[in-house]
Amino acid sequence: AQTVTQSQPEMSVQEAETVTLSCTYDTSESDYYLFWYKQPPSRQMILVIRQEAYKQQNATENRFSVNFQKAAKSFSLKISDSQLGDAAMYFCAYRSARAGNKLTFGGGTRVLVKP
Amino acid sequence: DAGVIQSPRHEVTEMGQEVTLRCKPISGHNSLFWYRQTMMRGLELLIYFNNNVPIDDSGMPEDRFSAKMPNASFSTLKIQPSEPRDSAVYFCASSQDRSSYNEQFFGPGTRLTVL
Repeated sequence: AQTVTQSQPEMSVQEAETVTLSCTYDTSESDYYLFWYKQPPSRQMILVIRQEAYKQQNATENRFSVNFQKAAKSFSLKISDSQLGDAAMYFCAYRSARAGNKLTFGGGTRVLVKP
Repeated sequence: DAGVIQSPRHEVTEMGQEVTLRCKPISGHNSLFWYRQTMMRGLELLIYFNNNVPIDDSGMPEDRFSAKMPNASFSTLKIQPSEPRDSAVYFCASSQDRSSYNEQFFGPGTRLTVL
């Protein structure tokens, strides 16, 4: 079974600075998808960014970008120019391309943004 | 689009009572997922449906939990009898399986407290 690990329970960043969240996963598959979800205090789960395993180019969405290292099974999220609204829990998630649509989530990282 | 709709948003009940959580997926989506979020276990998939048919219910904790999807626009998750350890936030999510990502859109969640 696939597992997703987020080793940082909490990260703190100064407003306008950059923070990087780590995520590693364990799988024997070669074709899969990776996601980062944001969960603010409202608890709504919001998709931040996504990556296909067979695409070498790292995904970017405005201030959010990923560093996808397939061989290392690593999928880190970088938040640039951090804003107060970025404060939230961030979850990394894995989905197999072949074994159904279920998402496997990591334990989450809480991001605190200091003004 | 209204997004995924869940009701109720909050539910407080006493141990032994029946609890029914409701979900309306995004129109046109053909997959529906029920997740549970707790501090101890994080986000875990309980069950998912594709075209109203249960595909994977391996995450359903025990016989006290049941889920139905009588049509494409409605699903229920029922707990009978409820126990204090069922206290959690329950999320419903839906996706449209026509893109490679099949990204899931989450509802606002139902916070369940069993006394």
